[in-house]
Amino acid sequence: RKEVEQDPGPFNVPEGATVAFNCTYSNSASQSFFWYRQDCRKEPKLLMSVYSSGNEDGRFTAQLNRASQYISLLIRDSKLSDSATYLCVAVTDSWGKLQFGAGTQVVVTP
Amino acid sequence: GAVVSQHPSRVICKSGTSVKIECRSLDFQATTMFWYRQFPKQSLMLMATSNEGSKATYEQGVEKDKFLINHASLTLSTLTVTSAHPEDSSFYICSASLNRANYGYTFGSGTRLTVV
Repeated sequence: RKEVEQDPGPFNVPEGATVAFNCTYSNSASQSFFWYRQDCRKEPKLLMSVYSSGNEDGRFTAQLNRASQYISLLIRDSKLSDSATYLCVAVTDSWGKLQFGAGTQVVVTP
Repeated sequence: GAVVSQHPSRVICKSGTSVKIECRSLDFQATTMFWYRQFPKQSLMLMATSNEGSKATYEQGVEKDKFLINHASLTLSTLTVTSAHPEDSSFYICSASLNRANYGYTFGSGTRLTVV
C-alpha cells in the first residue's frame, strides 16, 4: 500500500467553480502535511502547509482529519491558471522525509 | 526566501557514460538535501537523503554505487548517475529546507535526463 494516495483525476472544473479533493495517508505518525502544485514538466512548488485546525490561503482551503487520516484541498472561484497537478505530501519522520502522493490533476476550463 | 538552484536542467547522454547533477542552496545553508526521481505521470520518489559531511542515506531499491551522492559543503550536493542506461532516463529533482522545523521545502528546477 502506498503511504500517500490520491485520486489522479482529472477533475474538469468550469472556470469560477469550486473543486475539492482528498488525499489519504497510511502512517499515523505523520507529523506535517503540505500541498504542492506541479505544472507539466516543472518542479513542485509549495502551495500551502496543512494545519490541524484547517487553514485558508486566499481561494485555497486545506483541512486535516487525523482520525480518518486524510487531508483535503478546496479551490474556490477556480481560475484557468489553477490547472495543474496537486501533490499531497506527508512528512513521515524527524529527518523531514517527504512522502508524495502521485498527484491529482485539475483542469479548469473556460 | 530559500532558493535552490539545480544544474543542468536538461542533459542527453550516451548509454554507459556518467552524468553529474548539481544542487545548490543559494541563500541558505542546507545540512540536508533530498534527491528525488519522477517518471512520467508518477509521483516523486525519494532516492536518497544527502547529509553534509557524511554518507548519504539511500532508500530501499536505490543502488548506491550507481547513484553517487556527495554533499561536500553546506550549499552543494551532487548526484552522479554512473554508467547510465536508458531506463535511468527520468526527471531528477533535489530539495532542501531553510527551516526544517517548518518543513517548508524548496525544490530545484529539476534535471531531465535522457540516456540514448
